[in-house]
Amino acid sequence: GESVGLHLPTLSVQEGDNSIINCAYSNSASDYFIWYKQESGKGPQFIIDIRSNMDKRQGQRVTVLLNKTVKHLSLQIAATQPGDSAVYFCAENIGGGADGLTFGKGTHLIIQP
Amino acid sequence: DAEITQSPRHKITETGRQVTLACHQTWNHNNMFWYRQDLGHGLRLIHYSYGVHDTNKGEVSDGYSVSRSNTEDLPLTLESAASSQTSVYFCATSHGRNQPQHFGDGTRLSIL
Repeated sequence: GESVGLHLPTLSVQEGDNSIINCAYSNSASDYFIWYKQESGKGPQFIIDIRSNMDKRQGQRVTVLLNKTVKHLSLQIAATQPGDSAVYFCAENIGGGADGLTFGKGTHLIIQP
Repeated sequence: DAEITQSPRHKITETGRQVTLACHQTWNHNNMFWYRQDLGHGLRLIHYSYGVHDTNKGEVSDGYSVSRSNTEDLPLTLESAASSQTSVYFCATSHGRNQPQHFGDGTRLSIL
């Protein structure tokens, strides 16, 4: 089965609130993790990444947390805006020389006014 | 700005036909990837290339082939299209290992 998965397929939040999207992975050899945002009819858009030697990384309004002990990854979006509505994917590079990413199934983030 | 161009954006074809999807990048990246996206499966890796004349199989490579004759292009060929290959196909590139992959906007392929 897939080594990367998501806890919730749909997340609904109020505009202005913070959003947290969770992701579980099962491959302890994974050394690179990345979050993508995908809008309808578009390709995945890079949001933020993190390497396995880190446990937190911040970007503009986004923070990624990595907990290697429980193999958990999360994406926090601060002050959610209508433009944040999209499907969010986590992905991992399982290492071993290959560089292709293994994706989770995605979480649909819905922003309520 | 650098970009990834996929063509065509939409295609309908019949089973048994050969189909080639184009991917052209101006990032000057060595690494190029092809994924397919299906409901319930997320994105899955088909083939990838680390440079000219290099190709490698991904998770779902059966029925697909790629060739890399230059840095900019990695065409994906379906030798004999099957209905199970109806999907949205994405091309991606990256500068190197553990670097963000940049994606094109996809080709929606329907095989009847």
